Amino acid sequence: DIQMTQSPSTLSASVGDRVTITCRASQSISSWLAWYQQKPGKAPKLLIYKASSLESGVPSRFSGSGSGTEFTLTISSLQPDDFATYYCQQYNSIGTFGQGTKVEIK
Amino acid sequence: EVQLVESGGGLVQPGGSLRLSCAASGFTFSSYAMSWVRQAPGKGLEWVSAISGSGGSTYYADSVKGRFTISRDNSKNTLYLQMNSLRAEDTAVYYCAKASVVAATPAYFDYWGQGTLVTVSS
Repeated sequence: DIQMTQSPSTLSASVGDRVTITCRASQSISSWLAWYQQKPGKAPKLLIYKASSLESGVPSRFSGSGSGTEFTLTISSLQPDDFATYYCQQYNSIGTFGQGTKVEIK
Repeated sequence: EVQLVESGGGLVQPGGSLRLSCAASGFTFSSYAMSWVRQAPGKGLEWVSAISGSGGSTYYADSVKGRFTISRDNSKNTLYLQMNSLRAEDTAVYYCAKASVVAATPAYFDYWGQGTLVTVSS
């Protein structure tokens, strides 16, 4: 089974900061990676698919990069609405999620 | 507008059974694979099961294999999850999720339901 490891687990940041979250796969998944945002009590929301494709309606401050085993999600200028938990998901082989990264207010 | 509405959650004793449903609308249901993803209280997301658009292919996480059965009725635009031999560790919010393509893999999830809570406790 493919394992996904996200870092950091928690990230403290301020509005306007550039934020980067890393996701590593235990084996190559090509570009079959998605990123989701989840707020408390809500369902996850798709942000990025195929490692770097922005889902329709998602603000352009979100971007994704990487291939193979190492991937990043970047928020170029953190906004108040972005404080949430972020999950990566590989879908090379069904769908394993990372453990999540909570972005909290500094 | 795509809508996914789960139902069937509740409190069940260990060893018991429950069937979850997910009513879909706003898209051609049979043209997309579907999945169940769960989230234990305070924990991360765990993929549980997936089914192809036709229903001909099904997949399960090792943690539920042999106990859970995924199915779909394309005439009713409804996804199901039959859960048997439930354990305390199955306690979670269960989400149904629409896949991006008709095959169950490789596919990401572009729409999610609001979730239904399953609590396994005596």
